[in-house]
Amino acid sequence: GIQVEQSPPDLILQEGANSTLRCNFSDSVNNLQWFHQNPWGQLINLFYIPSGTKQNGRLSATTVATERYSLLYISSSQTTDSGVYFCAVDKVQGGSEKLVFGKGTKLTVNP
Amino acid sequence: DAGITQSPRHKVTETGTPVTLRCHQTENHRYMYWYRQDPGHGLRLIHYSYGVKDTDKGEVSDGYSVSRSKTEDFLLTLESATSSQTSVYFCAISETFYGYTFGSGTRLTVV
Repeated sequence: GIQVEQSPPDLILQEGANSTLRCNFSDSVNNLQWFHQNPWGQLINLFYIPSGTKQNGRLSATTVATERYSLLYISSSQTTDSGVYFCAVDKVQGGSEKLVFGKGTKLTVNP
Repeated sequence: DAGITQSPRHKVTETGTPVTLRCHQTENHRYMYWYRQDPGHGLRLIHYSYGVKDTDKGEVSDGYSVSRSKTEDFLLTLESATSSQTSVYFCAISETFYGYTFGSGTRLTVV
């Protein structure tokens, strides 16, 4: 099956700093998503991005499918950005995805 | 937003007892999933459903069964709970070109 590796595993920032999280995957995919798990355990869908670039406020993501990686950018980080960020992929597209998750990047933003 | 609720939110049960977790959605989505989350393993797929009475196994299905008699409800059953099934269980629905929306999770402790 597809392997998903995320780096770094842990990241500590001061409020206001920028960061880049990376997701590498071992095979071609048609579905890639980024999730944020907040300190209360809730999983939030950040981006559906099998290719290209998307932005949502201070967050943006880029997937280069041909090179099998995706990047999540967080600018001007805030303490509320703390939590674990997961990348997940599947070869299937169109609603029947069975996502395979990476182990996540744990982000801590200090005030 | 897809309305997806899980019940119960927390449960403690004894080894050997049956346990059923419920996932309820309000928007008629065809695809539903059960994942478990464990430290060091990330999220792993247990079972999924692609319609009423249509289900299939995921990566870690041993010891679990599922049922979907109505579009809105997807039940996960542990026939005889074991300590290795202590975990946080997440249900998800999938929407085309949006991806997964997760429920709030059920924290299950088997003692």
